[in-house]
Amino acid sequence: GAGVSQSPSNKVTEKGKDVELRCDPISGHTALYWYRQSLGQGLEFLIYFQGNSAPDKSGLPSDRFSAERTGGSVSTLTIQRTQQEDSAVYLCASRADSNQPQHFGDGTRLSIL
Amino acid sequence: TQLLEQSPQFLSIQEGENLTVYCNSSSVFSSLQWYRQEPGEGPVLLVTVVTGGEVKKLKRLTFQFGDARKDSSLHITAAQPGDTGLYLCAGAFTTSGTYKYIFGTGTRLKVLA
Repeated sequence: GAGVSQSPSNKVTEKGKDVELRCDPISGHTALYWYRQSLGQGLEFLIYFQGNSAPDKSGLPSDRFSAERTGGSVSTLTIQRTQQEDSAVYLCASRADSNQPQHFGDGTRLSIL
Repeated sequence: TQLLEQSPQFLSIQEGENLTVYCNSSSVFSSLQWYRQEPGEGPVLLVTVVTGGEVKKLKRLTFQFGDARKDSSLHITAAQPGDTGLYLCAGAFTTSGTYKYIFGTGTRLKVLA
């Protein structure tokens, strides 16, 4: 597709389970960002991938959160031992270069029971 | 720590009224973006402002970047019900060679017919 694709669109899981969220960026975009959005508020930065450089993980809230980007394309955000406070919408964005804007996917709405 | 304060948080107005949303920070940004987000979707870029004092117009929307590139405003003239949504500002900055964004907390606008 032409846009950023995220899956699943919705995920409901029990507290303590692990979850994986997937992001397919726009083809050719070198930068990829993950954000978390709670209750329709602003976006909280989680992690940033740029080309083959080491990712900027400074926004990850705890060591239960991790992300990888394979082959400079698809990215997976993993949350281990989920907690209720992890419930949020997780948004992914990609960008072609520093002079171009981010393009967002529609997010994954994660609900922890 | 960089912060981007957005106000007002909520706004409910009648069709045809004018409104202004503000984003303020003590930090200087290399650029600032405005997004609109609808329920269940990712943010969609409205405009990017780059130069201090820059004014951009998008139909009934007028965006201004402060002279010092620390603040911005979005003015909507004669609001329509279709303008309803969550408006987000995002300041772009570079740190340690990475290109990141900080988002405001959002303004939830409802325009009543």
